Amino acid sequence: EAGVTQFPSHSVIEKGQTVTLRCDPISGHDNLYWYRRVMGKEIKFLLHFVKESKQDESGMPNNRFLAERTGGTYSTLKVQPAELEDSGVYFCASSQGRVGEQFFGPGTRLTVL
Amino acid sequence: AQSVTQLGSHVSVSEGALVLLRCNYSSSVPPYLFWYVQYPNQGLQLLLKYTSAATLVKGINGFEAEFKKSETSFHLTKPSAHMSDAAEYFCAVRDSGGGADGLTFGKGTHLIIQP
Repeated sequence: EAGVTQFPSHSVIEKGQTVTLRCDPISGHDNLYWYRRVMGKEIKFLLHFVKESKQDESGMPNNRFLAERTGGTYSTLKVQPAELEDSGVYFCASSQGRVGEQFFGPGTRLTVL
Repeated sequence: AQSVTQLGSHVSVSEGALVLLRCNYSSSVPPYLFWYVQYPNQGLQLLLKYTSAATLVKGINGFEAEFKKSETSFHLTKPSAHMSDAAEYFCAVRDSGGGADGLTFGKGTHLIIQP
């Protein structure tokens, strides 16, 4: 069974540009989460989808971040325009139910120059 | 609001020695508690979890953790360290009261194994 996959693994962009991160959850997992780890800090929750609906987006830093999950399958996280402080590793996780184990992807390392 | 404190950003032990990684949490009610491990270039992998059943929880790779409500702690231990245990370890909590499902993580502890 394939795990959670994320694309790209690395992204280097200039300040002001747009970047879109993609997450493919484990097949059949309705719950999808985004997290971010800024260097030297803890991993922080960004938002939670149940199927295509945003269940909790309390961790989204600001309106430069837009997450979507059309059709309840894969999800994208767009940062527009990117700022220096957006640099970090973005993790995606999925679970079968709301209390199920969250399985994490390898992360996307975003560097904003 | 929940919070997690992991004591020590780096812990070094000799191969074969006891591993002890500390985790304390702050929560208004006993939460669900987790330990994750991240090996280089990989995602986080669940080691073990506490969800209000037995307070001593056994996980994969010989790790275990004990939930101590009075100390608000969930320390991770392994009797004998192996070189393959070198990784970064994260303690995390989640609301057990039907609220938010996102995990709150500690800052992580790098476990270094000395030969």
